[in-house]
Amino acid sequence: QVYLAQSGTEVKKPGSSVKVSCQASGATLNNYAISWVRQALGQGLEWVGGILPLLGTVTYAQKFQDRVTITTDDFTATVYMELNSLTFDDTAVYFCYFGGSPIDYWGQGTLITVSS
Amino acid sequence: DIQLTQSPSSLSASVGDTVTITCRASQNIAMSLHWFHQKPGKAPQLLIFAASNLKSGVPSRFRGSGFGTSFTLTISSLQPEDFGEYYCQQNYRPPSLTFGGGTKVDIK
Repeated sequence: QVYLAQSGTEVKKPGSSVKVSCQASGATLNNYAISWVRQALGQGLEWVGGILPLLGTVTYAQKFQDRVTITTDDFTATVYMELNSLTFDDTAVYFCYFGGSPIDYWGQGTLITVSS
Repeated sequence: DIQLTQSPSSLSASVGDTVTITCRASQNIAMSLHWFHQKPGKAPQLLIFAASNLKSGVPSRFRGSGFGTSFTLTISSLQPEDFGEYYCQQNYRPPSLTFGGGTKVDIK
């Protein structure tokens, strides 16, 4: 059984950075397409970026291109998302998502609040 | 970037009704279209993969169809537990993916 455990709630100041982790148990990262997806309160799902660890391919949504980095640690089966230059609009729940039809595994979500 | 346009944005239906949600892609994505259901406060859950394939354990009242740029999710005999938000998602060029804007389903 695959379980994705994300790091805890963060409160950040505008202009700062945040790094969120997602540790997989029961899974090998190379077997999946891994994404970070965010959801602001009452809003829809928004893809931030993704990685294919087997190929080393990383792609980011255009709106986040300049300030997001997704990395992996194969030894600990952990995926990281670092988001820089935070603004109030970045306040959202961030999910890690392991996909590959018909597979979908989701982390529990990490609330990032950007507040002055 | 591939865009997904989902409609309607919301609907209200009675238990036992049949509801249909559509998703249109901005370019041909073959069968790389999947449907998710999300309840408040929870992560989304996959219902249909590759346009028309039911994920194991998902009730057969859910049916997906379509190819290319036009896709449909049909829920037959709507049940109270089917309330929530439905999203289409494309992954034609992984790891890139896109979600539709969502359809909120309320049970009358």
